[in-house]
Amino acid sequence: DAGVIQSPRHEVTEMGQEVTLRCKPISGHNSLFWYRQTMMRGLELLIYFNNNVPIDDSGMPEDRFSAKMPNASFSTLKIQPSEPRDSAVYFCASSSTGGHQPQHFGDGTRLSIL
Amino acid sequence: DQQVKQNSPSLSVQEGRISILNCDYTNSMFDYFLWYKKYPAEGPTFLISISSIKDKNEDGRFTVFLNKSAKHLSLHIVPSQPGDSAVYFCAASHGGFGNEKLTFGTGTRLTIIP
Repeated sequence: DAGVIQSPRHEVTEMGQEVTLRCKPISGHNSLFWYRQTMMRGLELLIYFNNNVPIDDSGMPEDRFSAKMPNASFSTLKIQPSEPRDSAVYFCASSSTGGHQPQHFGDGTRLSIL
Repeated sequence: DQQVKQNSPSLSVQEGRISILNCDYTNSMFDYFLWYKKYPAEGPTFLISISSIKDKNEDGRFTVFLNKSAKHLSLHIVPSQPGDSAVYFCAASHGGFGNEKLTFGTGTRLTIIP
């Protein structure tokens, strides 16, 4: 079974550059979640989508962050312009909708902003 | 405001013995609880869950106990094996459409000593 696929696995870029992280959820899952993991704040939810529609973006830190889900099999998280404090591991997860369903995570993108 | 707390950052247990990981929560609206296991450089992997209508759920070597009055849950691993060495995250949600997001604890690093 193909799990959640994230790309790239690692990204190193200079401050001010645009960064785009990509996610392919598990086929048939209609909820998609973006998380950020840092030492200071642990795992925190940034935004989630249901049937490609953003439901809750209250965790998005500021306007430099944006997320899209143009179709059921693809989502992007964009940071523009990037700053050193954005350095973290970013995870994407997906789940089925309907009752309580566990979320399944990708292996993350380790982002370093110099 | 940390709504899900894992007060032990680390735990070491002898192989073959029982590992007990603890988690406390403050939000009485939470009605679904999950445990995730995370290896380095990988995403969290769903382990086991429990609904608030139950007080125990078992899956092989893993058992989760829920004490709603104390707002406390625990994960028991018996017997512990070296492959169980990982970081364990407790998570909670109060389900339903629009409330699928998970709130995570900060994790407990479990080390199984051969």
